[in-house]
Amino acid sequence: EIVLTQSPGTLSLSPGERATLSCRASQSVSSNYLTWYQQKPDQAPRLLIYGASNRATGIPDRFSGSGSGTDFTLTISRLAPEDFAVYYCQQYGSSPTTFGPGTKVDIK
Amino acid sequence: QVQLQESGPGLVKPSQTLSLTCTVSGDSINSGGYYWSWIRQHPGKGLEWIGYIYYTGTTHYNPSLKNRITISVDTSENQFSLKLSSVTAADTAVYYCAREPLLRYYGMDVWGQGTTVTVSS
Repeated sequence: EIVLTQSPGTLSLSPGERATLSCRASQSVSSNYLTWYQQKPDQAPRLLIYGASNRATGIPDRFSGSGSGTDFTLTISRLAPEDFAVYYCQQYGSSPTTFGPGTKVDIK
Repeated sequence: QVQLQESGPGLVKPSQTLSLTCTVSGDSINSGGYYWSWIRQHPGKGLEWIGYIYYTGTTHYNPSLKNRITISVDTSENQFSLKLSSVTAADTAVYYCAREPLLRYYGMDVWGQGTTVTVSS
């Protein structure tokens, strides 16, 4: 099973700042089958990025994903007030699909 | 607009079977374009994929739970269900149902709101 590690655990930033979140896999994730989700308190996760770098429908272009192999990054170019949340990465390259432990982006 | 809604008991006794249903609206389970999945989230923790079902009844389960899981589908009711047997306190979690395109590369694009299940006597 592929283990995903996310860093940092918590990222404290101000609105308007840039957020860079890391997701590292214990093995190469084939075909960049890597997705990112956003979760706010008491809500279900929301799909942000699929295929490592493709924004899901309706996702603002301040969200971008990059990376390949074992190292992936989610970048939020300028944090909006509604972006403070927990972000999870997920890999589909190997069964079973697994999620990272999450990075919390909170207000500084 | 596709919506998923979980339902079932919020409290289950240890050693019993947890049973949840996900009702799909705005899409037909037997349209064939998606897997229908269950995911859970332990309190204050991350996400764990439980398994999925295709409308034909084909299933795929997380090996860590495989011996205790049954996922079934009722296309006439546009629902799919989860049964988890021999539950313990470790199965206390928020349970979500979600839709996944057949090419799973595209991620889980629609989720239910989640339902909290507590295992306690």
